[in-house]
Amino acid sequence: GDSVTQMEGPVTLSEEAFLTINCTYTATGYPSLFWYVQYPGEGLQLLLKATKADDKGSNKGFEATYRKETTSFHLEKGSVQVSDSAVYFCALSGGKAAGNKLTFGGGTRVLVKP
Amino acid sequence: EAGVTQFPSHSVIEKGQTVTLRCDPISGHDNLYWYRRVMGKEIKFLLHFVKESKQDESGMPNNRFLAERTGGTYSTLKVQPAELEDSGVYFCASSQVGFYGYTFGSGTRLTVV
Repeated sequence: GDSVTQMEGPVTLSEEAFLTINCTYTATGYPSLFWYVQYPGEGLQLLLKATKADDKGSNKGFEATYRKETTSFHLEKGSVQVSDSAVYFCALSGGKAAGNKLTFGGGTRVLVKP
Repeated sequence: EAGVTQFPSHSVIEKGQTVTLRCDPISGHDNLYWYRRVMGKEIKFLLHFVKESKQDESGMPNNRFLAERTGGTYSTLKVQPAELEDSGVYFCASSQVGFYGYTFGSGTRLTVV
């Protein structure tokens, strides 16, 4: 079945540091890929998505590129802020045929220190 | 528009008791999903409603879990009797038919002691 593997945290960074969170996936067909973020005390929010190979999703300074050849969707941000402290989840969806069901990775907690 | 609302936000119950979680989706969203995250592990799919019908309940862990969606509006997820391993965060999400994005609720943190 489908699966998502992402680096375990916690990841601790200083403000303005570069952030990378690795995510790889296994899926049949051509899934769509997502990054969700959960800030402390809040629900899951869609951060960015990509629906086909070589697409780049971007939002709030975060970027991720759908790499079919390496089955990866790594999340990057060039200069993190304290407000980026959160848990980040990589996810995939098999689309309508799979009822738009999401398969998530285990989550990566990121802590940004001032 | 109002978001997806879940309550309670927290629930602490004893093993063997019954708990009912509620989710109010965004008005007009026919798709409703339940997910849960147990013990800091990955978030896992539980089930999917389209209106009041269960489209996919392949993720429901066992028959102690019962989900309903009254009239295609709000949904409840009942755990009876609760076990220790049911502790976790239960998320609800909704979306429009044919629309790709979900909106998640803030989750219900369930602790079974």
